[in-house]
Amino acid sequence: DAGITQSPRHKVTETGTPVTLRCHQTENHRYMYWYRQDPGHGLRLIHYSYGVKDTDKGEVSDGYSVSRSKTEDFLLTLESATSSQTSVYFCAISESRGHTEAFFGQGTRLTVV
Amino acid sequence: AQTVTQSQPEMSVQEAETVTLSCTYDTSESDYYLFWYKQPPSRQMILVIRQEAYKQQNATENRFSVNFQKAAKSFSLKISDSQLGDAAMYFCAYRDAGGTSYGKLTFGQGTILTVHP
Repeated sequence: DAGITQSPRHKVTETGTPVTLRCHQTENHRYMYWYRQDPGHGLRLIHYSYGVKDTDKGEVSDGYSVSRSKTEDFLLTLESATSSQTSVYFCAISESRGHTEAFFGQGTRLTVV
Repeated sequence: AQTVTQSQPEMSVQEAETVTLSCTYDTSESDYYLFWYKQPPSRQMILVIRQEAYKQQNATENRFSVNFQKAAKSFSLKISDSQLGDAAMYFCAYRDAGGTSYGKLTFGQGTILTVHP
């Protein structure tokens, strides 16, 4: 299994509070991603990174920010959590060359009450 | 933008039988990759099979095979000799082959597969 660790695995937070999810990889892959999974929508891309300090928005980036100060860590921050951000969040990694697939973390279930 | 559509929210199959999950996609690109991922109740995303668009031959992995119809933009997954462990959510996913795509995936909505003993 690819070395990807997400933390926390579960979190319940209150509306309006900031939340940070962490993704840590030991594979030295260049690309990292944050997706959210919701019923009826599959997985949708929130933000992605193509290198240290290089990030860009995905399909559903409103209300989220990211940072990548080291190759191995990619942080997702909800500045002020809302109930619509209740979801399962997945981190993924992939190589920058070749035809390799993405490898996924175990997911974080976030509930905003 | 690319889109991926899985029109079957749920499917069921008897153990040892064959089932086909459907996926269609829309893209203006000629070079891309298609994937089927399996998500069991553990929530782990597991790659089942991959297809490169430039390859005419359909990919196969043991009991799993695809029917890739590039002109029709269709990418179905066939599971033969279904087993109880195949029960899961299955996602179809698309990825541009170009370097500036940065490996981003576009997913379908998912199909829940139930396997009956």
